[in-house]
Amino acid sequence: QKEVEQNSGPLSVPEGAIASLNCTYSDRVSQSFFWYRQYSGKSPELIMSIYSNGDKEDGRFTAQLNKASQYVSLLIRDSQPSDSATYLCAVQFRSDYKLSFGAGTTVTVRA
Amino acid sequence: DAGVIQSPRHEVTEMGQEVTLRCKPISGHDYLFWYRQTMMRGLELLIYFNNNVPIDDSGMPEDRFSAKMPNASFSTLKIQPSEPRDSAVYFCASSGRFSSTDTQYFGPGTRLTVL
Repeated sequence: QKEVEQNSGPLSVPEGAIASLNCTYSDRVSQSFFWYRQYSGKSPELIMSIYSNGDKEDGRFTAQLNKASQYVSLLIRDSQPSDSATYLCAVQFRSDYKLSFGAGTTVTVRA
Repeated sequence: DAGVIQSPRHEVTEMGQEVTLRCKPISGHDYLFWYRQTMMRGLELLIYFNNNVPIDDSGMPEDRFSAKMPNASFSTLKIQPSEPRDSAVYFCASSGRFSSTDTQYFGPGTRLTVL
């Protein structure tokens, strides 16, 4: 059973702070990792993808991947109220190339 | 580009009725995915197609569920007969080339309520 687990929420941060989201996965042969953002009542949209160990930055978002620890994280710097959403971690396992999603972490940014 | 199109956006039906959900993928995409999202189980992959051919339907919960893709621009997910536990949001997603670098684009979803 391939599993993707995310830290339980909800996560509440003040505006301007850093929001830190964590995700662990069970299959060592995973190759691709994604963070999707889902606003309430809307569909998931991709905000970050990462494929190799290390950090990847895109604007206020930074994804971090550590394959040895089977861990991927997402940092949101200078959090804005518009960042309030559920963030889904998705892992593409090499054995079947399907995406497996975590349960999501709901982030609330307090103005 | 219009993005992935799903219809209907909302469906309310009674237990035992047949339900058909529809999806039009992004033009040129050759992979299509059907997902179901509930509070209890999160986002689950039901089935996916490549070039109109079903590749993996291991996520389809029961024989009551069936999916077809008669051509590159249209897919259906059918539930017959429907049950209250089928109530969920059903998403269709498409991607252009199924590799580790391709993004899946999600449609707006169909919110299904079975009474």
